[in-house]
Amino acid sequence: ETGVTQTPRHLVMGMTNKKSLKCEQHLGHNAMYWYKQSAKKPLELMFVYNFKEQTENNSVPSRFSPECPNSSHLFLHLHTLQPEDSALYLCASSQETSPRTDTQYFGPGTRLTVL
Amino acid sequence: GENVEQHPSTLSVQEGDSAVIKCTYSDSASNYFPWYKQELGKGPQLIIDIRSNVGEKKDQRIAVTLNKTAKHFSLHITETQPEDSAVYFCAASLSGSARQLTFGSGTQLTVLP
Repeated sequence: ETGVTQTPRHLVMGMTNKKSLKCEQHLGHNAMYWYKQSAKKPLELMFVYNFKEQTENNSVPSRFSPECPNSSHLFLHLHTLQPEDSALYLCASSQETSPRTDTQYFGPGTRLTVL
Repeated sequence: GENVEQHPSTLSVQEGDSAVIKCTYSDSASNYFPWYKQELGKGPQLIIDIRSNVGEKKDQRIAVTLNKTAKHFSLHITETQPEDSAVYFCAASLSGSARQLTFGSGTQLTVLP
């Protein structure tokens, strides 16, 4: 495995529910990412955290709320989602201070279904 | 910003044949090009990468070639096996900045037994 874990692996929720996705990386990295992967679409970068600070928010609706309490953990809080938010949500991490900091390492993803 | 285009979107080959997936990029400053493989139910996994100071890199049955002048790079898989069936993503970035990785749209490779 890559050293990036995600829980839960599968989640079914109603549009009025509140749930959270969790990501943990065991690689000592200092940057973490949330991606959305929908069927037959490119990976969509949602949020980037570098040293726990959010550095990018790619016009993501406010019903998605990220939280990064430390460099090893990343959460995505979900509230009043829409059916079109159903997708695979991927977490990734990278090391941003080494000379060759090129690669992102992905977790297995959380398959989210919004009813 | 960088734009990466990937072709084809789907590819079927017979077991034992070769498969080639091609990507083009727009930013001539990009100098790092990784390839990821995503199997069903898993996240993308890095399988090979190349930097712009080399034109080709091999790792057993997979190889990547880079043409900086034309701004395109390709993944070659030889002697394909059923376990090679997956979605493959190319990406491009400026070396030293993983946060700037831009991904292609993916290729679904199916290896037929």
